[in-house]
Amino acid sequence: DVKVTQSSRYLVKRTGEKVFLECVQDMDHENMFWYRQDPGLGLRLIYFSYDVKMKEKGDIPEGYSVSREKKERFSLILESASTNQTSMYLCASTQTGGYNEQFFGPGTRLTVL
Amino acid sequence: AQSVSQHNHHVILSEAASLELGCNYSYGGTVNLFWYVQYPGQHLQLLLKYFSGDPLVKGIKGFEAEFIKSKFSFNLRKPSVQWSDTAEYFCAGLMNRDDKIIFGKGTRLHILP
Repeated sequence: DVKVTQSSRYLVKRTGEKVFLECVQDMDHENMFWYRQDPGLGLRLIYFSYDVKMKEKGDIPEGYSVSREKKERFSLILESASTNQTSMYLCASTQTGGYNEQFFGPGTRLTVL
Repeated sequence: AQSVSQHNHHVILSEAASLELGCNYSYGGTVNLFWYVQYPGQHLQLLLKYFSGDPLVKGIKGFEAEFIKSKFSFNLRKPSVQWSDTAEYFCAGLMNRDDKIIFGKGTRLHILP
């Protein structure tokens, strides 16, 4: 059974803290993605990566950075968390080639106080 | 700009009613289209996908969708809904073969028992 796992289901942080969200996939997928999901706004792409050490900005990269040191692991970093980053964060992965569905993790609900 | 739009943000139906959720995309080239579903507290998962061939696509749990190129549409249908279909549904499109899927804002479906 294919799997995308995320390090935490729920996280509470304070404004200004540095926050790490981890995502691991076991499908040997080349492509990995970070989205945030907010009511009425759907899924918005933050960053994605086509390969190890590669990263591309998505639609809303401001306030975020990413790291991909290994193929199976894609980390999202909030350098200095703010209350407007309170959201559900979803990680996804897919094989390259443009014909494949994305597989999603369970999500991390982050609250920034 | 490439986009995916869903007409209904919130739909309420009674059990056994027929369902049609609208989805339109904006792109002049070849597209791959998806419907994803997110049941309460669960991962996003794929319902069905269209890449080529028969424009009427059948998915899991009795759902189907029809790709109408002339209307830039990919509407989701189910002839008779069940209470367990209560979920949020996302239409998505892959354009330009760049592995970056564009999601609609989602439709919350609530089925009354």
